[in-house]
Amino acid sequence: EVQMLESGGGLVQPGGSLRLSCAASGFTLSSYWMHWVRQPPGKGLVWVSRINSDGSSTSYADSVKGRFTISRDNAKNTLYLQMSSLRAEDTAIYYCAKSGHCISSHCYFYHDYWGQGTLVTVSS
Amino acid sequence: EIVMTQSPATLSVSPGERATLSCRASQSVSSNLAWYQQKPGQAPRLVIYGASTRATGIPATFSGSGSATEFTLTISSLQSEDFALYYCQQYTDWPLTFGQGTNVEIK
Repeated sequence: EVQMLESGGGLVQPGGSLRLSCAASGFTLSSYWMHWVRQPPGKGLVWVSRINSDGSSTSYADSVKGRFTISRDNAKNTLYLQMSSLRAEDTAIYYCAKSGHCISSHCYFYHDYWGQGTLVTVSS
Repeated sequence: EIVMTQSPATLSVSPGERATLSCRASQSVSSNLAWYQQKPGQAPRLVIYGASTRATGIPATFSGSGSATEFTLTISSLQSEDFALYYCQQYTDWPLTFGQGTNVEIK
């Protein structure tokens, strides 16, 4: 059974830092691209970042570029999101999400499994 | 970035009736379109990918159609567990983008 469990959320002051983790099980993490998606309270889903299967390529939403860093440790089956210079507008539930299937070298980036989410609150 | 627009924002439907949700992309996304269901306090759940392929465990009452810029999610006979928020998402280009959601509520 595929499971992903996020941790590391909490209350942080503006300008502070936080590192989120996503522990994956039930599938071979190293075979899939992975994503972070966030959802501000009462609002919709917003894609944040992605990382390819071996960690050599990443991309970010403009709103977090230069402040957030996605990484992975395939040996530990864990995905990370290092967040710095946090702002009030970063307040959200953060979900890790697994990418869909790949055919040959082409991968499809829908999210077939999601973690339960971890809440990050940026406030003084 | 590709803007995804869903309509209507809220859909009021009686149990057993059909629900039709729409999603429009600001430019062609081919068939790289997914639909997600989200219930209060829960993570999203994949319903449809590739515009028309049901995800694992999704009943046949759910169907997706469309390509390029116009997409539809149809729930042929609404069950109590189907009342939820539904989001569409394009995954053809970065950044990946979601629609703002359609809330399917009990009439």
